[in-house]
Amino acid sequence: EVQLVQSGAEVKKPGESLRISCKGSGYSFFSYYITWVRQVPGKGLEWMGRIDPSISSVTYNPSFQGHVTMSAENSVTTAYLHWSSLEASDTAMYYCARHYGISTAGTELDYWGQGTLVTVSS
Amino acid sequence: DIVMTQSPLYLSVTPGEPASISCRSSQSLLNPKGDSALEWYLQKPGKSPQLLIYLGSSRAPGVPDRFTGSGSGTDFTLKIGKVEAEDVGVYYCMQALQTPLTFGGGTKVEI
Repeated sequence: EVQLVQSGAEVKKPGESLRISCKGSGYSFFSYYITWVRQVPGKGLEWMGRIDPSISSVTYNPSFQGHVTMSAENSVTTAYLHWSSLEASDTAMYYCARHYGISTAGTELDYWGQGTLVTVSS
Repeated sequence: DIVMTQSPLYLSVTPGEPASISCRSSQSLLNPKGDSALEWYLQKPGKSPQLLIYLGSSRAPGVPDRFTGSGSGTDFTLKIGKVEAEDVGVYYCMQALQTPLTFGGGTKVEI
């Protein structure tokens, strides 16, 4: 059974660092991209970017580039989303999702993690 | 960036009746293979989004056949043949043609 299991909710202060995780199982982890999606409370979905775990190649949404870092560790079939300095505006639910292709096929996000709620407050 | 515009924002439906959601993109979503790079997702209350439709009209595995995606170019539609109580939630379209991928603002469907 394909699963993406995300790390638990976090409460942080502005300026603190944070890494959340997304562990894939039940499929060949390095064969699928992992996309990260942000959802601010009560708002819609925003595509943050994606990583190809096979070569650790990342494509960021310019709106998030420089503020977050995506990475992956194939040995533990886990993708990560990292902030070096959180801001209050980072308060949101973060989802990971997998897809096997880009551009012309396989772009659909067919499995999603359960989400990680990040709260940033002083 | 490609802008995705959904309508209506809210849809109140009666079980057993049909429903329709529109999604318009700021540029054509035709990919180099001639397919539509348009996907539909449903986010049920308190849950993660789930895939309904990809390539504009292909139903994802396990999705009931009352869900139908159609359209091409810049205009797309998601139709629910006969709404069931479990179909409540927020529906999003998403373009997968070019990065940054972008979602529509969502359509909240209520019974």
